[in-house]
Amino acid sequence: EPEVTQTPSHQVTQMGQEVILRCVPISNHLYFYWYRQILGQKVEFLVSFYNNEISEKSEIFDDQFSVERPDGSNFTLKIRSTKLEDSAMYFCASTRLAGGQRDTQYFGPGTRLTVL
Amino acid sequence: DAKTTQPNSMESNEEEPVHLPCNHSTISGTDYIHWYRQLPSQGPEYVIHGLTSNVNNRMASLAIAEDRKSSTLILHRATLRDAAVYYCILRAPPYTGKLIFGQGTTLQVKP
Repeated sequence: EPEVTQTPSHQVTQMGQEVILRCVPISNHLYFYWYRQILGQKVEFLVSFYNNEISEKSEIFDDQFSVERPDGSNFTLKIRSTKLEDSAMYFCASTRLAGGQRDTQYFGPGTRLTVL
Repeated sequence: DAKTTQPNSMESNEEEPVHLPCNHSTISGTDYIHWYRQLPSQGPEYVIHGLTSNVNNRMASLAIAEDRKSSTLILHRATLRDAAVYYCILRAPPYTGKLIFGQGTTLQVKP
């Protein structure tokens, strides 16, 4: 069964450093997402991406964050200058349909980001 | 998305049925009811969704009240692997695709 993959599984970085989290969505999917989950808290939406541009972003997704689909398979989340409060699990998700209310989102296993 | 209310936690015994309730009294006529779950240390996973009629799939059943103000996710025989946080989510206009997760119900399954 096709699945969303994410690398690395765990990333440790120093405050102020740039990190890139990578995701490979399911191959025939059109809509891509990033979510994050701070330890012990809810899963929070960050950004959605369709047709090579951001469709929607939350207030969490400020200028420090960017997303890119550099080729036909990868979808990346970059944090330019990490802060301690960026420490969280980051989940990538994808869906086949263009954001319809019946669509199913498929989530990756997540990348645990630890900012020291 | 419209608001949902779920119990914080529930317990079940292994191999017994589990009924996970969700209240959504402000649901509108075109809102779909989705359920996802999150196993420990994993990403969320789709379980089931429905609009008005009861739905069954290989994972679970979804029973939707006639007035659609509540729904129940039914796991017919709970296994230890079903221990997870279960989220009831309404998909409402403008259908932007994002999922809004609440706190969900933490299901504990006892052997």
